[in-house]
Amino acid sequence: DVKVTQSSRYLVKRTGEKVFLECVQDMDHENMFWYRQDPGLGLRLIYFSYDVKMKEKGDIPEGYSVSREKKERFSLILESASTNQTSMYLCASSLNTDPQWTQYFGPGTRLLVL
Amino acid sequence: AQTVTQSQPEMSVQEAETVTLSCTYDTSESDYYLFWYKQPPSRQMILVIRQEAYKQQNATENRFSVNFQKAAKSFSLKISDSQLGDAAMYFCAYRSPAGDDKLIFGTGTRLQVFP
Repeated sequence: DVKVTQSSRYLVKRTGEKVFLECVQDMDHENMFWYRQDPGLGLRLIYFSYDVKMKEKGDIPEGYSVSREKKERFSLILESASTNQTSMYLCASSLNTDPQWTQYFGPGTRLLVL
Repeated sequence: AQTVTQSQPEMSVQEAETVTLSCTYDTSESDYYLFWYKQPPSRQMILVIRQEAYKQQNATENRFSVNFQKAAKSFSLKISDSQLGDAAMYFCAYRSPAGDDKLIFGTGTRLQVFP
């Protein structure tokens, strides 16, 4: 079974702090994604990556950056956390050759910025 | 740009009954893929069912089936013989054939199942 793990389930940070959210997948997937989930807005794509050291902006990249130094790890960085970044963050991964085009999700990190 | 709309923020169903969750989408593409994902409370999101637009036959997975109406751009999910474990947020998602594997999600429908 594919396993996608995220470093924290719950996180509380102060405004202005630099925040790192880590995501690791164990199935050698090429593609990795970061979403944020907000009530009434569904999931919105922040950034995604097709390969090591590659990154593409999603629909809401402002205030975020990402890093993918190793294939299995995709980090989301909040350079200076703000209260409007309080949200649930979901990481996902997928395999290029998967005929099902399935994305596998991590358990999510619920971030509160005070 | 493609959009996905789920007009039912909440739905409820009694155990063993059938419920249908609605999803509409907007696209100018002729070939694409549609998905229903399930997010149980405090648990990971998982794929429930998917449909390729070029296939006329509606997809089914055990108690889950879809009603895919391409001309109407509608993709509803039917859950038969509902079980307590079906209680979750359900998200409809669209994938372009462009190959970048990006998904566009709807806003979700929270399904409650009553005994």
